[in-house]
Amino acid sequence: QKEVEQNSGPLSVPEGAIASLNCTYSDRGSQSFFWYRQYSGKSPELIMFIYSNGDKEDGRFTAQLNKASQYVSLLIRDSQPSDSATYLCAVRTKIIFGSGTRLSIRP
Amino acid sequence: EAQVTQNPRYLITVTGKKLTVTCSQNMNHEYMSWYRQDPGLGLRQIYYSMNVEVTDKGDVPEGYKVSRKEKRNFPLILESPSPNQTSLYFCASSLQVGEQQFFGPGTRLTVL
Repeated sequence: QKEVEQNSGPLSVPEGAIASLNCTYSDRGSQSFFWYRQYSGKSPELIMFIYSNGDKEDGRFTAQLNKASQYVSLLIRDSQPSDSATYLCAVRTKIIFGSGTRLSIRP
Repeated sequence: EAQVTQNPRYLITVTGKKLTVTCSQNMNHEYMSWYRQDPGLGLRQIYYSMNVEVTDKGDVPEGYKVSRKEKRNFPLILESPSPNQTSLYFCASSLQVGEQQFFGPGTRLTVL
């Protein structure tokens, strides 16, 4: 299973409608989630990030995170032709700690 | 202007001829990374660097080398390029690992 999975599309949405993009991830300890937009021939640019369960809205964009079900979505309301691009989902996994080193300073 | 720059933007070369793609950022970012992007495979990480002199392999490191002698620069080296390294390459940087990444404009490499 891929660590982060998206449907490659293409997803076709009429102008003015809501576009819904989904992403699932395998590491339950993942902490932060990013949506990047990439126009053809251009580099990815960040459009949304989300850390907490629930919805986060920014203009026409809404990111939705459900950690229990391990998915993150991006909704684009009132879709415009300029929204036509590839949308990349990125996931930051958890930090893993070692068992620690006890330090004792002798007087 | 805060940015990540890559050079060259386009390169056509032949098998076995060593090449270097430069990457530079002016944001004092600690974390830098190289990706390749191929149709249907998305962005795959080649190498990354947590800080100066700290580099590690990503998902597809074979055939590539990197170095991080200065904080701002993170060159990608192909010692003996092969046709399967024909791809679109992106350099990215972030303040620290796991934070928002800023991408360079990309380098389209063709190896004949």
